[in-house]
Amino acid sequence: GESVGLHLPTLSVQEGDNSIINCAYSNSASDYFIWYKQESGKGPQFIIDIRSNMDKRQGQRVTVLLNKTVKHLSLQIAATQPGDSAVYFCAETNTGGFKTIFGAGTRLFVKA
Amino acid sequence: DSGVTQTPKHLITATGQRVTLRCSPRSGDLSVYWYQQSLDQGLQFLIQYYNGEERAKGNILERFSAQQFPDLHSELNLSSLELGDSALYFCASSFQGFADTQYFGPGTRLTVL
Repeated sequence: GESVGLHLPTLSVQEGDNSIINCAYSNSASDYFIWYKQESGKGPQFIIDIRSNMDKRQGQRVTVLLNKTVKHLSLQIAATQPGDSAVYFCAETNTGGFKTIFGAGTRLFVKA
Repeated sequence: DSGVTQTPKHLITATGQRVTLRCSPRSGDLSVYWYQQSLDQGLQFLIQYYNGEERAKGNILERFSAQQFPDLHSELNLSSLELGDSALYFCASSFQGFADTQYFGPGTRLTVL
């Protein structure tokens, strides 16, 4: 597959460690946030979402935290595995408008 | 597999030409989105359709146009192609078209020579 975002911020973690990927969003009016994972050569894949009336949501091995005060979103991956290696994008949107804005992405490398 | 299909997978063409990219949304989804992804950029939103009507426009060039047909599939037309149009073009679909999860297709890789 082809690489996306040759100059993306990169996070390198050891297999089994926890990963934290951060995202600063731009619009204080955004009320719905999504994390996507993009593996090489594939389209983005939904991981987890959160609405602005929550500050934490948990999925299977993943947790999203939302801090509206500082417009910050984070994705925590527990017990990171080699298959988690990918580019991770945060996305923001709001129910008053229709545009979804994607962050620049973070590349996660998992070392075996 | 997201359920969103895109054709063709790869497209190689010359500058000045015109191409059409096709997208079929997931069954039941009413909204289709088009994105451009270059090697040095993230996902750039181009345009969104909901049930056949244009709903939102992003950074779409005038040389580009799109439409959504009654069967809800969508086409993105790119004309007067330039070298800088080389990119991955993704289609995504969602049910209600706002504040809901978008499911992405595998993309079309466009190379303009």
